[in-house]
Amino acid sequence: GDSVTQMEGPVTLSEEAFLTINCTYTATGYPSLFWYVQYPGEGLQLLLKATKADDKGSNKGFEATYRKETTSFHLEKGSVQVSDSAVYFCALSDRGSNYKLTFGKGTLLTVNP
Amino acid sequence: GAVVSQHPSWVICKSGTSVKIECRSLDFQATTMFWYRQFPKQSLMLMATSNEGSKATYEQGVEKDKFLINHASLTLSTLTVTSAHPEDSSFYICSAISSFLGSYNEQFFGPGTRLTVL
Repeated sequence: GDSVTQMEGPVTLSEEAFLTINCTYTATGYPSLFWYVQYPGEGLQLLLKATKADDKGSNKGFEATYRKETTSFHLEKGSVQVSDSAVYFCALSDRGSNYKLTFGKGTLLTVNP
Repeated sequence: GAVVSQHPSWVICKSGTSVKIECRSLDFQATTMFWYRQFPKQSLMLMATSNEGSKATYEQGVEKDKFLINHASLTLSTLTVTSAHPEDSSFYICSAISSFLGSYNEQFFGPGTRLTVL
């Protein structure tokens, strides 16, 4: 079955530091890949997505590139802010699974001023 | 566009009572809705998938008689937790997709409902 493995947290950084959260996946089909962000006490918000190999999703300074050869979708940001503190989930959606989302376990990011 | 709402945002109830949570797609028709449960500091666990006008499909280990799901229209799905007990306390999140939208593989999430059973 499909699965997503992401870097375990928590991750603590200082403001303006570089962020990488690793995410790898296994899928039977050709999935779409997503990063979701969850702020405390809230639901999930889509941060970015990519639907085919070599696509780069980007939003709010975050980027991730769909790497089919390494089955990876690592999240990066060049300079994090305190407001980026949240839990980040990597996920995939596979047409063969009726578009169900398979989530990673989530990575808690804390950015200190 | 593609906004999903949930009501209520939080609810406290006594053990043994039933609680209904609504999930609405506000500006699109949701052909499929999903219900998730999230325990503190954990990932989302898919409970069930519902298609408008048909019975929900429950994930393994989810009691369908305890978590009743109804998807009566293209904009509304409800989750009823029957005879709630303290172990049912959790954060319940719904999401929706639509075959009418271009991003047919993207789920749009509601803000979640915090259920506390005393």
